[in-house]
Amino acid sequence: EIVLTQSPATLSLSPGERATLSCRASQSVSGYLAWYQQRPGQAPRLLIYDASNRATGIPARFSGSGSETDFTLTISSLEPEDFAVYYCQQRTSWPSFGPGTKVELK
Amino acid sequence: QVQLVQSGPEVKKPGSSVKVSCKTSGGSFSNYGINWVRQAPGQRLEWMGGVIPFSGTTSYARKFRDRLTITADESTNTGYMELSSLRSEDTAVYYCTRGVDIVVVPAASWFDPWGQGTLVTVSS
Repeated sequence: EIVLTQSPATLSLSPGERATLSCRASQSVSGYLAWYQQRPGQAPRLLIYDASNRATGIPARFSGSGSETDFTLTISSLEPEDFAVYYCQQRTSWPSFGPGTKVELK
Repeated sequence: QVQLVQSGPEVKKPGSSVKVSCKTSGGSFSNYGINWVRQAPGQRLEWMGGVIPFSGTTSYARKFRDRLTITADESTNTGYMELSSLRSEDTAVYYCTRGVDIVVVPAASWFDPWGQGTLVTVSS
């Protein structure tokens, strides 16, 4: 079973600031990693797939990078609607998710 | 635009079963996997299993294999998740989600879009 860890658990930032979120896998997932955003009371939505590809309709301020075991989601300039919880997910083996990083308003 | 609409909240007794539905509209149903992911209070998302409607191929997480049944009805474009032998730890929001790509194994695709979620509460 592949275990994903995310850091930090919480990120306190202001609108306009840059957010950098990390996801680490217990073993290599190649490039099979995605990022999801979950706003309060809503279902998750796909942001990034295959480590670095933006999903349909996702703004360019969201970008993903990394490979093997270390991945990063970057939000270049936070908008008010970006304050949410972000999960990484792998599908190299059975799908699993990380514990999430909460991006909160400072 | 593909939309997934799930059935309403459920309250169940320990030991009973629950069946949640997920009706899709706005896109192809048969060729894309329908997967189920749950989220217990304060916990991470947890993949449970999925189905490819046209072939009936299913995949289940080992944890749920002995008490989970996932099916799909092509005539109504609806997926179903039935979990039996419920216990308090099964209290969670259950989401259905469609695969992004046409695949032969349900979990071999990323998940988007998602249903609105169904709260299942297990309590005596």
